[in-house]
Amino acid sequence: GAVVSQHPSWVICKSGTSVKIECRSLDFQATTMFWYRQFPKQSLMLMATSNEGSKATYEQGVEKDKFLINHASLTLSTLTVTSAHPEDSSFYICSSREGASGESYEQYFGPGTRLTVT
Amino acid sequence: GQNIDQPTEMTATEGAIVQINCTYQTSGFNGLFWYQQHAGEAPTFLSYNVLDGLEEKGRFSSFLSRSKGYSYLLLKELQMKDSASYLCAALDSNYQLIWGAGTKLIIKP
Repeated sequence: GAVVSQHPSWVICKSGTSVKIECRSLDFQATTMFWYRQFPKQSLMLMATSNEGSKATYEQGVEKDKFLINHASLTLSTLTVTSAHPEDSSFYICSSREGASGESYEQYFGPGTRLTVT
Repeated sequence: GQNIDQPTEMTATEGAIVQINCTYQTSGFNGLFWYQQHAGEAPTFLSYNVLDGLEEKGRFSSFLSRSKGYSYLLLKELQMKDSASYLCAALDSNYQLIWGAGTKLIIKP
């Protein structure tokens, strides 16, 4: 099956610093990548959808200037949490879809990144 | 609005059978997914249904009724390792996944 990696697996940072999370599709070209956030005992919350070479589409309530997404190639997307605060502490998960909307529907998930902001 | 409902928590006994229900209301419908998520890990794919009926895959089966907006995941011969959260997600008309809050399944010996 398709493999998606995420780096780092976990990160602890101080309030006010920025953190970059990488998401890579290892054996397929990910036309579309999704970034999710999950707080303890809650469901996945879609933050943004990004297509390679274009700007990400953010969900309502997600600050695009705080959560910077760059989908620079068909195998790499990055999420940068800028000026992180303790309330940003969460489990961040990326997923990738091979084709464009309507062509392929299954999403392959990365292992997730646990962010703790102190 | 779009909505997915599933029970918050269920408890079952090792070796038994459990059925986790899911009802959905979405703008358009292009199929329903079930994912398994162990604590602290990302979801893993279990099943996808787009046509009415039952899909069997080993100990796990998934059922869909489009007219009723209803699906269930059936787990047989439960094992301790099946203790996890089970997420129901519907694919809407834009091929976006709408997620349920997940059902935490507790398996007791």
